[in-house]
Amino acid sequence: EAQVTQNPRYLITVTGKKLTVTCSQNMNHEYMSWYRQDPGLGLRQIYYSMNVEVTDKGDVPEGYKVSRKEKRNFPLILESPSPNQTSLYFCASRTPSGPRDTQYFGPGTRLTVL
Amino acid sequence: QKEVEQDPGPLSVPEGAIVSLNCTYSNSAFQYFMWYRQYSRKGPELLMYTYSSGNKEDGRFTAQVDKSSKYISLFIRDSQPSDSATYLCAKSNTGNQFYFGTGTSLTVIP
Repeated sequence: EAQVTQNPRYLITVTGKKLTVTCSQNMNHEYMSWYRQDPGLGLRQIYYSMNVEVTDKGDVPEGYKVSRKEKRNFPLILESPSPNQTSLYFCASRTPSGPRDTQYFGPGTRLTVL
Repeated sequence: QKEVEQDPGPLSVPEGAIVSLNCTYSNSAFQYFMWYRQYSRKGPELLMYTYSSGNKEDGRFTAQVDKSSKYISLFIRDSQPSDSATYLCAKSNTGNQFYFGTGTSLTVIP
């Protein structure tokens, strides 16, 4: 089954404690992206990656890092999380043909930073 | 100014009604416009995309783009309870960077 998986699905942590949210896709997609979703602000793009070792900033990259060492994986790293990073995070992937190709979204990771 | 503005609703309609969902955008450089549907506790899924002004139909759904007024609309005909979800409009220039609206919550009452 074609899918994007994220782990963990739920995470409660404290300010300053480094964490990583993993994202993996089994569709051999070149393009992957991270979003956060907040009430009243909608879905906002954090980072995206066109292929292995190629990443670029989205709309709200501050406080986040990403890496793309393998095609299937695109982890999101919060080196020093703060309460304003409490959010619902989605990873997505698609082929690079363009927006006509659907982005497949993962199930989401709900992060709470105390 | 936000890149994409969307009325958050909520919107509640009886089954069978025609639903109109609307967004405006601020930067005319963007070429691609999309509608995503998001069910509760799920990730968004692409419903429709278009890259030109005019209408695009897919079954009960019609996406409309008016680039002169920077207006994006989604019409749902013969709405069903299964259409109850949050609808997100989005735009993209190169197909790599995406800007989403805040979403409109729709409930279709049987």
